[in-house]
Amino acid sequence: EPEVTQTPSHQVTQMGQEVILRCVPISNHLYFYWYRQILGQKVEFLVSFYNNEISEKSEIFDDQFSVERPDGSNFTLKIRSTKLEDSAMYFCASSDAAGGPGEQFFGPGTRLTVL
Amino acid sequence: RKEVEQDPGPFNVPEGATVAFNCTYSNSASQSFFWYRQDCRKEPKLLMSVYSSGNEDGRFTAQLNRASQYISLLIRDSKLSDSATYLCVVDDYGQNFVFGPGTRLSVLP
Repeated sequence: EPEVTQTPSHQVTQMGQEVILRCVPISNHLYFYWYRQILGQKVEFLVSFYNNEISEKSEIFDDQFSVERPDGSNFTLKIRSTKLEDSAMYFCASSDAAGGPGEQFFGPGTRLTVL
Repeated sequence: RKEVEQDPGPFNVPEGATVAFNCTYSNSASQSFFWYRQDCRKEPKLLMSVYSSGNEDGRFTAQLNRASQYISLLIRDSKLSDSATYLCVVDDYGQNFVFGPGTRLSVLP
């Protein structure tokens, strides 16, 4: 069964450093998403991406964040200068729904720890 | 602000019990509704989509009441493996999902 994969599973970084989180969505999917979940809190939407551009982004997704699909398979989230409050689990998701948010399939997540 | 509300629980039930979870959402324009389950420190996994007419998948039944902006999930004959957090998820009439805080279920032997 096809699945979304994410690397690394755990990333530890110093405050102020740049991190890149990587995702490989399901191959025939067209819509890609990043979410985050701070420990003990709910899952929060960051950004959606379709046709090589951002479709929507939340208030959390400020100038420190960027996304890219550098090739036909990877989808990355970059945080330029990490803050302590960026520590969270980051989930990538993908869906194949045209015209709306269909069922989204989530990767196993990257746990980001900012020291 | 678009919100999805759930009773956080925990719901502690014996094996074999029937348990029901409720969820309310604030955006009347929402079109898509889902239940996901999340095990501790794992990713959300789709349990079922929720359709206007209600739908059933084995021991799980989901209902949607658009007028009251209310979604429910019923689990019959609970198994130990049903222990997880159940997330109510609603679209905000865009491309993104709004997640509820989740309801924690513990099924006890």
